[in-house]
Amino acid sequence: EPEVTQTPSHQVTQMGQEVILRCVPISNHLYFYWYRQILGQKVEFLVSFYNNEISEKSEIFDDQFSVERPDGSNFTLKIRSTKLEDSAMYFCASSEGRRALYEQYFGPGTRLTVT
Amino acid sequence: EDKVVQSPLSLVVHEGDTVTLNCSYEVTNFRSLLWYKQEKKAPTFLFMLTSSGIEKKSGRLSSILDKKELFSILNITATQTGDSAVYLCAVGLGRTYKYIFGTGTRLKVLA
Repeated sequence: EPEVTQTPSHQVTQMGQEVILRCVPISNHLYFYWYRQILGQKVEFLVSFYNNEISEKSEIFDDQFSVERPDGSNFTLKIRSTKLEDSAMYFCASSEGRRALYEQYFGPGTRLTVT
Repeated sequence: EDKVVQSPLSLVVHEGDTVTLNCSYEVTNFRSLLWYKQEKKAPTFLFMLTSSGIEKKSGRLSSILDKKELFSILNITATQTGDSAVYLCAVGLGRTYKYIFGTGTRLKVLA
């Protein structure tokens, strides 16, 4: 069964460093998303991406965040200068169709720890 | 502000019990409601509901949506220890690509 994959599973970084989280969405999906979940809190939408551009972003997704689809398979989330409060589980998701009528398939997540 | 509220926050039951999890929402432009099961990491999809009163069923799990009263329930019958997880409710908003998640209900099923 096709699945979304993410690497690394766990990333530890120092405050102020740049990190890149990687995702490989399901191959025939066209819509991609990043979510984060701070420990013990709810899953929060960060950004959606379609046709090589951001479709929508939340207020969390400020200038320190960026997303890219550098090739035909990878989808990345970059955090330019990490802060302690960026520590969270980051989930990538993909869906076949857009809007809110299509199931999103989630990857296993990357746990980011900022020290 | 759009919000999704789940109750109870946590629940402990014994194997064989039936549980009902609740999800209520207040959003500006409802399109869909999704239920996910989150065990250790990634949420896994259970159901998507878009119409009121139509029950979705998968084995021992079932769910229904009430768009008038703005809530959904997820029922699990004859619970098993493998049902122990956090159950997430998410509401998809119309004309956007965004889903708003609730905080989840943590279910623990004791043998």
